[in-house]
Amino acid sequence: EAGVVQSPRYKIIEKKQPVAFWCNPISGHNTLYWYRQNLGQGPELLIRYENEEAVDDSQLPKDRFSAERLKGVDSTLKIQPAELGDSAVYLCASSQVGFPTTPLHFGNGTRLTVT
Amino acid sequence: GQQLNQSPQSMFIQEGEDVSMNCTSSSIFNTWLWYKQDPGEGPVLLIALYKAGELTSNGRLTAQFGITRKDSFLNISASIPSDVGIYFCAGQLIQGAQKLVFGQGTRLTINP
Repeated sequence: EAGVVQSPRYKIIEKKQPVAFWCNPISGHNTLYWYRQNLGQGPELLIRYENEEAVDDSQLPKDRFSAERLKGVDSTLKIQPAELGDSAVYLCASSQVGFPTTPLHFGNGTRLTVT
Repeated sequence: GQQLNQSPQSMFIQEGEDVSMNCTSSSIFNTWLWYKQDPGEGPVLLIALYKAGELTSNGRLTAQFGITRKDSFLNISASIPSDVGIYFCAGQLIQGAQKLVFGQGTRLTINP
């Protein structure tokens, strides 16, 4: 089966510019996650979707970050405006309802560099 | 936020040696997962543990879910060069359905 697909793989932008990341989860997985991974650290959850509904966005900096998952499949994470501290790898993951029987599967991430 | 204490932070071993790493937490988890991450890629699931005391193997990898539900360890036997990478533990909080908390990672380096 195809894995979680993310694009772009790399993005370099200047601070104050907007940026968007896209994720296509594994087919049939109705739960989608966005994680941020800073250099040398483990991933940290930004937002979790069950179908179209954001059920946990407590860690999402809502002043500049937004996300959507229209139709309950693909998802987009946006940052506007970007700050230097936003440089990190943004990982998307998906799982089927019924976790823990279907652990999270991750994409390869988007590495964001803000200059 | 919630944190797992993963140790050691890094390991430098000779090929063929066994490896052991662990995670501890002040919170109780109902699931422990171990992931491996290679440079430029996302974490890949190695082993999932769902019951306290559970001992599970995947080839040369063995992991255990601690009886107290607050810790887990991962062992790698007879290490080979492709074992190089960063290993992460992740725990699912009982009160946080489907929310995983990750450790800081253990970076494994193998000298041939």
